[in-house]
Amino acid sequence: QVTLRESGPALVNPTQTLTLTCTLSGFSLSTGGMCVSWIRQPPGKALEWLALIDGHDDKYYSTSLKTRLTISKDTSKNQVVLTMTNMDPVDTATYYCAGGIMITFAGVFVLDRFDYWGQGTPVTVSS
Amino acid sequence: SYELTQPPSVSVSPGQTASITCSGDKLGDKYACWYQQKPGQSPVLVIHQDNKRPSGIPERFSGSNSGNTATLTISGTQAMDEADYYCQAWDSSTAEFGGGTKLTVL
Repeated sequence: QVTLRESGPALVNPTQTLTLTCTLSGFSLSTGGMCVSWIRQPPGKALEWLALIDGHDDKYYSTSLKTRLTISKDTSKNQVVLTMTNMDPVDTATYYCAGGIMITFAGVFVLDRFDYWGQGTPVTVSS
Repeated sequence: SYELTQPPSVSVSPGQTASITCSGDKLGDKYACWYQQKPGQSPVLVIHQDNKRPSGIPERFSGSNSGNTATLTISGTQAMDEADYYCQAWDSSTAEFGGGTKLTVL
């Protein structure tokens, strides 16, 4: 059985750095075609993709947020960590980690799908 | 960045066919996925690679993708299908989600 569990602070002060951890069970990033992403959803709004790391340790970031994001993995602990700097109240959202598959399509390595999602962790940015 | 556009809402009567569209530049040249999200729950994959159903997803869910539009079709819509639906595609090494469509079954 595959589970992904997000953990991190529920409340962050503006300008602080947010650190979130995704702990994987039954899912491994040791294979190149596997990947884990972070995705967020502000209250009542749409999903927004943030970052992805694959089994090759290649990293991909949202164009609009890439200067604030860092994604990394610790294969020995089966964890993926996301840091987001300079938090603002507009960053208030539920943050999900999702496990998926990368494939080769038209000669390019692309995301195929997110098969598994965590329950999400709510983060409020407020002083 | 790449943009995917969905209608904010779609309504359908029980037993009828619901179609939800997702538009993006040359979307037909990429793979499209669809996720279903019910209130208070995490998203669930219902279609990937344009038209493939994961194990456990009912046959009434189908997908297509051509030109600039991907379409999620739900045949014989049931009350349990009422949810938000998001399309997703990969472009220039980034993933993009559509703005979501609220499907109402009434």
